[in-house]
Amino acid sequence: GESVGLHLPTLSVQEGDNSIINCAYSNSASDYFIWYKQESGKGPQFIIDIRSNMDKRQGQRVTVLLNKTVKHLSLQIAATQPGDSAVYFCAESYTGGFKTIFGAGTRLFVKA
Amino acid sequence: DGGITQSPKYLFRKEGQNVTLSCEQNLNHDAMYWYRQDPGQGLRLIYYSQIVNDFQKGDIAEGYSVSREKKESFPLTVTSAQKNPTAFYLCASSQGREETQYFGPGTRLLVL
Repeated sequence: GESVGLHLPTLSVQEGDNSIINCAYSNSASDYFIWYKQESGKGPQFIIDIRSNMDKRQGQRVTVLLNKTVKHLSLQIAATQPGDSAVYFCAESYTGGFKTIFGAGTRLFVKA
Repeated sequence: DGGITQSPKYLFRKEGQNVTLSCEQNLNHDAMYWYRQDPGQGLRLIYYSQIVNDFQKGDIAEGYSVSREKKESFPLTVTSAQKNPTAFYLCASSQGREETQYFGPGTRLLVL
């Protein structure tokens, strides 16, 4: 994850459509990845995680895909709802490392 | 109800004043963290603690201090040496250093 300055990338989707949010991670040694959702003025909320021995993991309405070859992570939200509007960011860490690196995030707008 | 609480929600600091942000968790987590969030940027680590009575500096520790006298509490003091303290401060905890971090609701610090 990298800082993108004051303006976050934005994704605007129609209610009911599927959303795909992407994240490029920075450390090829990272082996644990997390997606968080952050609503305005609130703390980040854990959505789903994945370890590097997997390339796909599914939760309730969400799927995370991991492509280690190109260091890319994506979050897919099925049947996007207005309540899904928030900033979504990925985080990476590695076994033996002392900290987690957080991306700046993508702002998701859901149009009713 | 298990979770992480932060107080106050909003905090105003005058020039030259030290202020303390509270963070409490009842998840029985060993590790606790403080992050600073600025608009459009990823979370930056201020301090972290892996165990009671031990803490380590993160990437931006200058102007901040912490203590970890109890497992459930990790207060952060923003000192007068921190020249640009206006930000959203997030506390997190995890079972261990390499485990998923869960966040509190945040404290927004503003300078008068």
